[in-house]
Amino acid sequence: SQTIHQWPATLVQPVGSPLSLECTVEGTSNPNLYWYRQAAGRGLQLLFYSVGIGQISSEVPQNLSASRPQDRQFILSSKKLLLSDSGFYLCAWSKDRGENYGYTFGSGTRLTVV
Amino acid sequence: GDSVTQMEGPVTLSEEAFLTINCTYTATGYPSLFWYVQYPGEGLQLLLKATKADDKGSNKGFEATYRKETTSFHLEKGSVQVSDSAVYFCALSPGNQFYFGTGTSLTVIP
Repeated sequence: SQTIHQWPATLVQPVGSPLSLECTVEGTSNPNLYWYRQAAGRGLQLLFYSVGIGQISSEVPQNLSASRPQDRQFILSSKKLLLSDSGFYLCAWSKDRGENYGYTFGSGTRLTVV
Repeated sequence: GDSVTQMEGPVTLSEEAFLTINCTYTATGYPSLFWYVQYPGEGLQLLLKATKADDKGSNKGFEATYRKETTSFHLEKGSVQVSDSAVYFCALSPGNQFYFGTGTSLTVIP
């Protein structure tokens, strides 16, 4: 069966420090991968998606970047964190663009920038 | 463009009450529709889905019917439990992207 792993679960980082969040999927190949952010009390905001190795699409301009160095690995990064980067970050995968099976989400990373 | 609108929360119900969370959508084609649930501190879990008009998705006592004529996919449960307290997201996928509603927070009190 397919599983998605996301870590760390919680992170407290000072303003200006770098960030690296990792997400891996097991049990499938060539998944579509997504990074979402959920600010406190708000809905989901799509940050990045990837349909293949090295293929990254950005939905909103921001202080973050994403990379897909391997088929089932998706990394969210920042060189210098801002206070506004705080939030709950969710990785997800899908077999297609989601229309048949939906998205499967990881357990999330709670990031607090202080 | 395609979008999803769900009822504002928060919703507070007593245990064993009937639940309805409204969801309407706007789409140019024939999207698939989903309900996701997010328990405190966790990621989203797929609760149920429907891929074509008149389909009924169901899971864990929850149901939703894909109504093309009213462009709706309302979530219902006949008797809620304290363990159903969570945030519920309606979503649609027309095939090229996923669109989520803003979420409805449900609290069930004993």
